Amino acid sequence: EVQLVESGGDLVQPGGSLRLTCVASGFTFSSYDMSWVRQAPGKGLEWISYIDSSGTTIYYADSVKGRFTISRDNAKNSLYLQMNSLRVEDTAVYYCARQVSYHYGMDVWGQGTTVTVSS
Amino acid sequence: DIQMTQSPSSLSASVGDRVTITCRASQNSRSYINWYQQKPGKAPKLLIHDASSLHHGVPSRFGGSGFGTDFTLTISSLQPEDFATYCCQQSYTTLTFGPGTKVVIK
Repeated sequence: EVQLVESGGDLVQPGGSLRLTCVASGFTFSSYDMSWVRQAPGKGLEWISYIDSSGTTIYYADSVKGRFTISRDNAKNSLYLQMNSLRVEDTAVYYCARQVSYHYGMDVWGQGTTVTVSS
Repeated sequence: DIQMTQSPSSLSASVGDRVTITCRASQNSRSYINWYQQKPGKAPKLLIHDASSLHHGVPSRFGGSGFGTDFTLTISSLQPEDFATYCCQQSYTTLTFGPGTKVVIK
């Protein structure tokens, strides 16, 4: 079964850090591009970061640029999101999602992991 | 960045109705538009990619059209499991999502 499983979400104070992990199974992880997408409570979807299959092309949304870092380890079938200098407005459910290519839709999604930034 | 708008923001419909949702891009997005369905507490599901291509496994009552800045998602005959929020996304430049359209039962 094709699956993505996120973990690492937690309650953290403003200014703190977290590392999210997304583990892939059921497909050849190294052949696919990946993105992180978040959804604040009661709000719409917000794309935050993209990485191509080899890890050489990376993009960020302006809202997280300079604070978040996306990476992947194809040997471990894992995608990561290092989040630093967290703000209250980063509170959201964070999803990892698979893409055949940058232009293609996100065809497989994880179940999401919740990040709450609060004092 | 290309901004996405959707209309309506919500609509009420009955089972069997034909439903049309519109998505507009602030700049030319060619055909790089994808549509998703999301139910409460669940991850989104891809319905349509490249504006009009049905993702595998998606029922044929879903259809997409458009090019450039104006796009449409159509559900030809609404089914009980289709009550959800629908969201467009452009993938021509920096990935951006529309705000969503909630389809509720009339």
